Amino acid sequence: EDKVVQSPLSLVVHEGDTVTLNCSYEVTNFRSLLWYKQEKKAPTFLFMLTSSGIEKKSGRLSSILDKKELFSILNITATQTGDSAVYLCAVPNSGNTPLVFGKGTRLSVIA
Amino acid sequence: NAGVTQTPKFQVLKTGQSMTLQCAQDMNHEYMSWYRQDPGMGLRLIHYSVGAGITDQGEVPNGYNVSRSTTEDFPLRLLSAAPSQTSVYFCASSYAGLSYNEQFFGPGTRLTVL
Repeated sequence: EDKVVQSPLSLVVHEGDTVTLNCSYEVTNFRSLLWYKQEKKAPTFLFMLTSSGIEKKSGRLSSILDKKELFSILNITATQTGDSAVYLCAVPNSGNTPLVFGKGTRLSVIA
Repeated sequence: NAGVTQTPKFQVLKTGQSMTLQCAQDMNHEYMSWYRQDPGMGLRLIHYSVGAGITDQGEVPNGYNVSRSTTEDFPLRLLSAAPSQTSVYFCASSYAGLSYNEQFFGPGTRLTVL
């Protein structure tokens, strides 16, 4: 039973496009939701979200959480080829247990 | 700080062989975890530890053992390697605390079992 579901699983866009990646989750005692970017190596941290409706922003990337509907979105505006990566969404399962990851969205940005 | 380090970076084993993947962190993190990553499967939790002397199973623990004798080290042992264990293995660590903190990942070990 999946606790973290990401969509779409893959996406191909052209440079300059805006993309929205989705993550829905189902966990008891929600604490936070995290987004990671993974290129050809280890995941690197992007955002941690704990409160509904508060947008986190870093350059062209932004993310928001909806705790009522149990989902988060990651937006990337004016995409560049360097944004090509797998984007992972994760939540702590319960209590202090480590992160449970979704399968990821593979984003390919073509020139 | 070196962060989270893993050795080896690459390993090829024959079916039935045993080996230990090493993981160390120098950030004094309480939590350490092992994940495996297979194509199209995301990261799946194998085992984790919330402190020295305490370990627990994750989603896919079969065929793996762990121990945590020190805060810094969290080795993963493959008892009798099988082709199904061909994967990329990531170790991660984080602080404990009331609010969840970011996990820091090691560079990964790519394991092939023939």
